[in-house]
Amino acid sequence: NAGVTQTPKFQVLKTGQSMTLQCAQDMNHNSMYWYRQDPGMGLRLIYYSASEGTTDKGEVPNGYNVSRLNKREFSLRLESAAPSQTSVYFCASRAEGADGYTFGSGTRLTVV
Amino acid sequence: KQEVTQIPAALSVPEGENLVLNCSFTDSAIYNLQWFRQDPGKGLTSLLLIQSSQREQTSGRLNASLDKSSGRSTLYIAASQPGDSATYLCAVRVAGNTPLVFGKGTRLSVIA
Repeated sequence: NAGVTQTPKFQVLKTGQSMTLQCAQDMNHNSMYWYRQDPGMGLRLIYYSASEGTTDKGEVPNGYNVSRLNKREFSLRLESAAPSQTSVYFCASRAEGADGYTFGSGTRLTVV
Repeated sequence: KQEVTQIPAALSVPEGENLVLNCSFTDSAIYNLQWFRQDPGKGLTSLLLIQSSQREQTSGRLNASLDKSSGRSTLYIAASQPGDSATYLCAVRVAGNTPLVFGKGTRLSVIA
């Protein structure tokens, strides 16, 4: 089915480890987003990419890096994971000129 | 900075009741407003989108209204059912190509 695919769905890391969260969409959308969701905090924007080749910081970018590898893929990297990065991470995409967002099913990350 | 507030944070109602969820935003210069549904452990599903020039949108038992000048939106759910139990998120977009800003959500429980 067309949509936004996030991998992995679950991950446990030790403090200091690094990992990359993958996101891919097959809808030819220009814009892609990474949000994190913490209990009682709603969704907060980490980074976004308005188009291939561009990335911008969101509300909570510290500790993360992103890569817009091509139009389909937008990855989120944690270079040195910290317990404060325990969260559920959502990737989303949107077509240029359109209003609707499509969200992935999320990656649940635990840093111990 | 745009801030979105949702009240109440949690709501429990008996089946069959009509209910209203509230959303307020600090900057009335919005592009559009969306209501999403999130089931436990799942991603977000878009319910209704209201453009800044519109007053309301309806889908089945759901009706969303927008009063841009006062910075408020409501989501009205008619004849609630246990299947409506979920977290409802309100999000606004400030300008054409900016990311969504989310509220913290209202967790709804409909008791059979």
